[in-house]
Amino acid sequence: AQSVTQLGSHVSVSEGALVLLRCNYSSSVPPYLFWYVQYPNQGLQLLLKYTTGATLVKGINGFEAEFKKSETSFHLTKPSAHMSDAAEYFCAVSRGGYSGGSNYKLTFGKGTLLTVNP
Amino acid sequence: DAGVIQSPRHEVTEMGQEVTLRCKPISGHNSLFWYRQTMMRGLELLIYFNNNVPIDDSGMPEDRFSAKMPNASFSTLKIQPSEPRDSAVYFCASSLNPLPTPNQPQHFGDGTRLSIL
Repeated sequence: AQSVTQLGSHVSVSEGALVLLRCNYSSSVPPYLFWYVQYPNQGLQLLLKYTTGATLVKGINGFEAEFKKSETSFHLTKPSAHMSDAAEYFCAVSRGGYSGGSNYKLTFGKGTLLTVNP
Repeated sequence: DAGVIQSPRHEVTEMGQEVTLRCKPISGHNSLFWYRQTMMRGLELLIYFNNNVPIDDSGMPEDRFSAKMPNASFSTLKIQPSEPRDSAVYFCASSLNPLPTPNQPQHFGDGTRLSIL
């Protein structure tokens, strides 16, 4: 079974400040990991994805995430927040390339709403 | 390229009415997913199709919900009769491969915001 925990349902930062959104996962096999962003009244857009072998993953809009197996974490960061970053962010996990079971399932966290203050 | 297209974007209807949500996946994608998003439960997978065949419908809440995929370019999610607790945002997603891999992720539509009065 897989699960995702996003610490903090709401994070508020000032424009220009560091953004840190936390994600911890649980998976019985090495997972694939994703961050999606959802702007108001829109669907989810893929922000970045974890590829085995590279622990630091760079995504769009200056975001990056670091896979830490020992901590079962995949936190999302951005050095300097911009007003346009205000959105809800979802961490998600899948079983990766392992066959069997419901390996097509993408399990999402509950989401973290990011507010950027001017 | 066009993304996943959902219609309608918004639907408001009275309790007891039939509701039909529509989805056009990305051309060439052979996997289609319907999700429901609520404040309380977050994003839940309702049903998954592969090559137009329903593979897993364990997430469908109850018999009032049904989904079909008559061809590779169209799917519907129907609620009959609708109830106020069905109010949510319903997303359709498609992917080239059923496994959500880094190189073949799921692509989401903009959703249908459903309100049952």
